[in-house]
Amino acid sequence: AQKVTQAQTEISVVEKEDVTLDCVYETRDTTYYLFWYKQPPSGELVFLIRRNSFDEQNEISGRYSWNFQKSTSSFNFTITASQVVDSAVYFCALSAGYSSASKIIFGSGTRLSIRP
Amino acid sequence: NAGVTQTPKFQVLKTGQSMTLQCAQDMNHEYMSWYRQDPGMGLRLIHYSVGAGITDQGEVPNGYNVSRSTTEDFPLRLLSAAPSQTSVYFCASSSRLVPPVGQFFGPGTRLTVL
Repeated sequence: AQKVTQAQTEISVVEKEDVTLDCVYETRDTTYYLFWYKQPPSGELVFLIRRNSFDEQNEISGRYSWNFQKSTSSFNFTITASQVVDSAVYFCALSAGYSSASKIIFGSGTRLSIRP
Repeated sequence: NAGVTQTPKFQVLKTGQSMTLQCAQDMNHEYMSWYRQDPGMGLRLIHYSVGAGITDQGEVPNGYNVSRSTTEDFPLRLLSAAPSQTSVYFCASSSRLVPPVGQFFGPGTRLTVL
């Protein structure tokens, strides 16, 4: 069975603080892909990053960074120097197995609020 | 390219009514999926398709039917709407390329069943 757990339901920080969103996943497949999506208040889903199971390098994109650790089955997302525009619901997701691109399993999401 | 389009944006139904949520994509993607989003539960997969003529069930398929007669379209049918189907519905498409590049989502349909 595949599962994604985002234990943090809501996080609220003051602008310019760093914040880390946790994601823990479960899968028996050795080849799998992990994603992060952002859902701003407007409701659309925005793709942020994909990571495959064979690449454990951390990735940095501007103020965003991702830490993938297979040993702990985690794929955490850090926003450095947060801004009000980062306020959104963030979803971690997993796809694995045959035709995995057709079905992605989502976590329940973390609502991030950045206070000015 | 319009990407993934969904119609309608909003819909109110009475219990027992039927309707079809439309989804179309113009990116020639092989894969299409339907999700529902309920508060605090993230997105749950309803049905998905890996190509024209091929569909399969996701996590929560009961009460929904799908068909895929063309690559572009993937309609979702509610045969007899129930209040438990009140939700926001997202359609998504993706290429079958490996590794997957992530799914492209439509803007969503907000459905209320009274």
